[in-house]
Amino acid sequence: GESVGLHLPTLSVQEGDNSIINCAYSNSASDYFIWYKQESGKGPQFIIDIRSNMDKRQGQRVTVLLNKTVKHLSLQIAATQPGDSAVYFCAETGDKIIFGKGTRLHILP
Amino acid sequence: DAGVTQSPTHLIKTRGQQVTLRCSPKSGHDTVSWYQQALGQGPQFIFQYYEEEERQRGNFPDRFSGHQFPNYSSELNVNALLLGDSALYLCASSFQRVLGNTEAFFGQGTRLTVV
Repeated sequence: GESVGLHLPTLSVQEGDNSIINCAYSNSASDYFIWYKQESGKGPQFIIDIRSNMDKRQGQRVTVLLNKTVKHLSLQIAATQPGDSAVYFCAETGDKIIFGKGTRLHILP
Repeated sequence: DAGVTQSPTHLIKTRGQQVTLRCSPKSGHDTVSWYQQALGQGPQFIFQYYEEEERQRGNFPDRFSGHQFPNYSSELNVNALLLGDSALYLCASSFQRVLGNTEAFFGQGTRLTVV
């Protein structure tokens, strides 16, 4: 069925450390994945995407890794800052977006 | 350039009532998708409108209906409201449906509370 899930609902990280948020997906035919950030009271905001023909993509302070063998995605945030506090969703897309449940990232001072 | 705008931002309705939510897509976008986000959950796809027609639909009952206007704006209607319809309703706009090729932009949502 259609489902994209996350391993951990909450992640607490020290400010300045790196954050790693994991995600499992179930549809092996999915070929395009997106990570979204959702701050309180706002809609999801695009962070980074990756296609199934890639295994790694880097943006500004963020890296997405894709392991198609085990159907796993991860989002790495370097030097985590207070502004990174949010809920992060992985999603698979084609003509619609299928979201997972989300991981809440807490930044510890 | 305005992004995706939704109205109203908050709404309280009574069980059994009907509600209409509105969305104006980002300039240059022609496709509008609606999502329901329950508290603590990821957004769930309701349906998508393109060229004034419903093109895709998620697993939602017929109480959920929509419309797209010639200017690409869209409405989401929910009839016979249930307590379980309480959620954040998100609108996303994109260009020509295919999200694999373009980015979808989300509005800030309408928080619907059914009492």
